[in-house]
Amino acid sequence: EAQVTQNPRYLITVTGKKLTVTCSQNMNHEYMSWYRQDPGLGLRQIYYSMNVEVTDKGDVPEGYKVSRKEKRNFPLILESPSPNQTSLYFCASSSPGTGAHTGELFFGEGSRLTVL
Amino acid sequence: DAKTTQPTSMDCAEGRAANLPCNHSTISGNEYVYWYRQIHSQGPQYIIHGLKNNETNEMASLIITEDRKSSTLILPHATLRDTAVYYCIAFPTGGGNKLTFGTGTQLKVEL
Repeated sequence: EAQVTQNPRYLITVTGKKLTVTCSQNMNHEYMSWYRQDPGLGLRQIYYSMNVEVTDKGDVPEGYKVSRKEKRNFPLILESPSPNQTSLYFCASSSPGTGAHTGELFFGEGSRLTVL
Repeated sequence: DAKTTQPTSMDCAEGRAANLPCNHSTISGNEYVYWYRQIHSQGPQYIIHGLKNNETNEMASLIITEDRKSSTLILPHATLRDTAVYYCIAFPTGGGNKLTFGTGTQLKVEL
């Protein structure tokens, strides 16, 4: 089954404790991206990757890092989490269009992160 | 990307057609109209997209006006499981780096 898998789905942590949210897709997609969703602010893009070893900032990259060493994986790293990073996070992937990607994104189930 | 405008919320009776409007009066000729939905904090789900012609798939139909300034997503026989936030998004035909989600329409399907 074609899917985007995120882990963990739920996490409560404390300020400053490094954490990684993993994302894996099994569709051989070149494009992957991370979004966060907050009440009243909607979905905002954090980082995206057009292919292996190619990543770029989205709208809200501060406080996050990403890496793309393999096509299927795109982990989101919070080196020193803060309470303002409490949010619902989504990973997405897509096949490439003539631009970075087509408009058909496949999203993971989401990871709800709470930073105390 | 063109801005889209949708009603904040709509109700629909189960079994009836749900017609969700979207205004995109500033859409350019090289932008698709995409529709997604998000069921209660799950990941957004692609529904359908179109450029000029009306489109239909197993989930929904998309009607785009001739001047392309507005469109309507039609769920022909809404069920309780269609209760979700529906997003209308303008997206370049040449591809792009991100989808810009607005606030969408909260559709509530009731018995």
